[in-house]
Amino acid sequence: GENVEQHPSTLSVQEGDSAVIKCTYSDSASNYFPWYKQELGKGPQLIIDIRSNVGEKKDQRIAVTLNKTAKHFSLHITETQPEDSAVYFCAAFSGSARQLTFGSGTQLTVLP
Amino acid sequence: EADIYQTPRYLVIGTGKKITLECSQTMGHDKMYWYQQDPGMELHLIHYSYGVNSTEKGDLSSESTVSRIRTEHFPLTLESARPSHTSQYLCASSEGQYGGPQHFGDGTRLSIL
Repeated sequence: GENVEQHPSTLSVQEGDSAVIKCTYSDSASNYFPWYKQELGKGPQLIIDIRSNVGEKKDQRIAVTLNKTAKHFSLHITETQPEDSAVYFCAAFSGSARQLTFGSGTQLTVLP
Repeated sequence: EADIYQTPRYLVIGTGKKITLECSQTMGHDKMYWYQQDPGMELHLIHYSYGVNSTEKGDLSSESTVSRIRTEHFPLTLESARPSHTSQYLCASSEGQYGGPQHFGDGTRLSIL
């Protein structure tokens, strides 16, 4: 089955700096890669996603890049703000298993 | 914004009790999912449904059962709760093709004494 590895597990940045979180996946048949933000006491919220036919996608301060050859994808947050502090999860959808497999999460802390 | 609701939000109950966690969505999504998540940890799929009267088990083995009699409703049941069932349970839904955005509820935090 699919295996998704996410790094780092914790990340602290100064307000205004950029943050990058990286994920690798194992199943070459995976074709959909969402990123979720989870705040304390809440369910995960989709913040951006990318499909395998696209290499990069941007939405304001958030961007995702995908390298299918290397089987890795990354989340980039620019001009970080304290409200960006949360746990971020990457995931990969395997077409063969028809399931989302999640990474282990990254606790992002933006220091004011 | 997604409209998916889970009740109760918190439940503390004794061993051996029967528990039903409720999940409802008002978006008419055909696909629904249950995930188990320990605090701050990754999500593990325990059940999913691609439509009414269709349910499947996910990768993580679970003693819970689910039913999908109506499109909008996907309850999860534990016949006899045990301390090992203590966890957070998240419900999600999605529409359209496989591999599309999943919208999550805020979860039920379950504690079995």
